[in-house]
Amino acid sequence: AQSVAQPEDQVNVAEGNPLTVKCTYSVSGNPYLFWYVQYPNRGLQFLLKYITGDNLVKGSYGFEAEFNKSQTSFHLKKPSALVSDSALYFCAFSSNTGKLIFGQGTTLQVKP
Amino acid sequence: DSGVTQTPKHLITATGQRVTLRCSPRSGDLSVYWYQQSLDQGLQFLIQYYNGEERAKGNILERFSAQQFPDLHSELNLSSLELGDSALYFCASSVAAFPDTQYFGPGTRLTVL
Repeated sequence: AQSVAQPEDQVNVAEGNPLTVKCTYSVSGNPYLFWYVQYPNRGLQFLLKYITGDNLVKGSYGFEAEFNKSQTSFHLKKPSALVSDSALYFCAFSSNTGKLIFGQGTTLQVKP
Repeated sequence: DSGVTQTPKHLITATGQRVTLRCSPRSGDLSVYWYQQSLDQGLQFLIQYYNGEERAKGNILERFSAQQFPDLHSELNLSSLELGDSALYFCASSVAAFPDTQYFGPGTRLTVL
């Protein structure tokens, strides 16, 4: 079955340090991959996507992600974390119809 | 603000009842998706409509149904509610029915007592 996995339930990082939130995928065919963020009591906000093209994708709020076909990964990164980045992050892949299949989510905690 | 609206924001009801959740997509978007978010199941795709037609179906219970109207708004009907149906229900929209950015509404929090 096609899926994405987020191996870490929680990631803790100090403000100003680089952050990485991991995602691996198991998808046949072209992987259409997305990252979304959810703040408490809010809907999901789109961060970035990989459809085709450059393996390094830049998104909103200074986030970027690297598509790695050999490692089947699509890790989310940011060079310098902010306390306001603390939230729940979801990796997802899209089927041909467009529906999203989400990973289980990773809580990012950035401490001052 | 994503441009996707959902009503109501909160809904509290009893087991056995029926409720209707409403979603208005962003202007120009033809595709509407419904997702359920719960602590034990995570974020799960329920159903997708594109320009009034059902396009894809996920793990949607038979007690649940949806439709998309000619003005493109969508409704999710949940009937014979059970305690386990308590969850956050999100609607999302996108321009078409192929992989592209989906914009999510703020959600409807359903509590079944």
